[in-house]
Amino acid sequence: DTGVSQDPRHKITKRGQNVTFRCDPISEHNRLYWYRQTLGQGPEFLTYFQNEAQLEKSRLLSDRFSAERPKGSFSTLEIQRTEQGDSAMYLCASSPAVGMGTDTQYFGPGTRLTVL
Amino acid sequence: GDSVTQMEGPVTLSEEAFLTINCTYTATGYPSLFWYVQYPGEGLQLLLKATKADDKGSNKGFEATYRKETTSFHLEKGSVQVSDSAVYFCATNTGNQFYFGTGTSLTVIP
Repeated sequence: DTGVSQDPRHKITKRGQNVTFRCDPISEHNRLYWYRQTLGQGPEFLTYFQNEAQLEKSRLLSDRFSAERPKGSFSTLEIQRTEQGDSAMYLCASSPAVGMGTDTQYFGPGTRLTVL
Repeated sequence: GDSVTQMEGPVTLSEEAFLTINCTYTATGYPSLFWYVQYPGEGLQLLLKATKADDKGSNKGFEATYRKETTSFHLEKGSVQVSDSAVYFCATNTGNQFYFGTGTSLTVIP
């Protein structure tokens, strides 16, 4: 399977705890995106990387959220001091930076976070 | 900023019925337009796309035409199947950001 993978698929945590999610993009894709999707809504953009550089961040990404892509391959999204409002599906997507299909993003299955 | 408005659901159809899910967008520049589908318990999958005005995207019997004059990208299928039951998202992409609609849930009953 050469699609985008995310780990874990589900995470239940208590309010105030820190959580970290991982995304492995399609191997030849330079660009990697994080989205948040709440029930009944479409995905909302959080941030995006080209290789290891974080090029854009949404104002939705509060200072409790941090994302990294240290070697330009996999990425992590950390949420510190989780709040109940952080409960959502966190989606990762990737796309190539050049060539055909740069405008198309390929999504992983998501990590569902529940904050109790 | 860009935005997408799509038809509210849920939509329930009988098998072999005709499907239309409306989608309109506002965007700066010239966006690419997409329909993504999310089956129960799965991630978003690209269904079809169109990159310029009057282009028609098609896949699995679904079609959508990029209408610049009406800023629309309505999804259609002539004969739906039970296996088409899913949530459908319309999206635009200008630059590096996707803007999604809220999704339309479709249930097809035998």
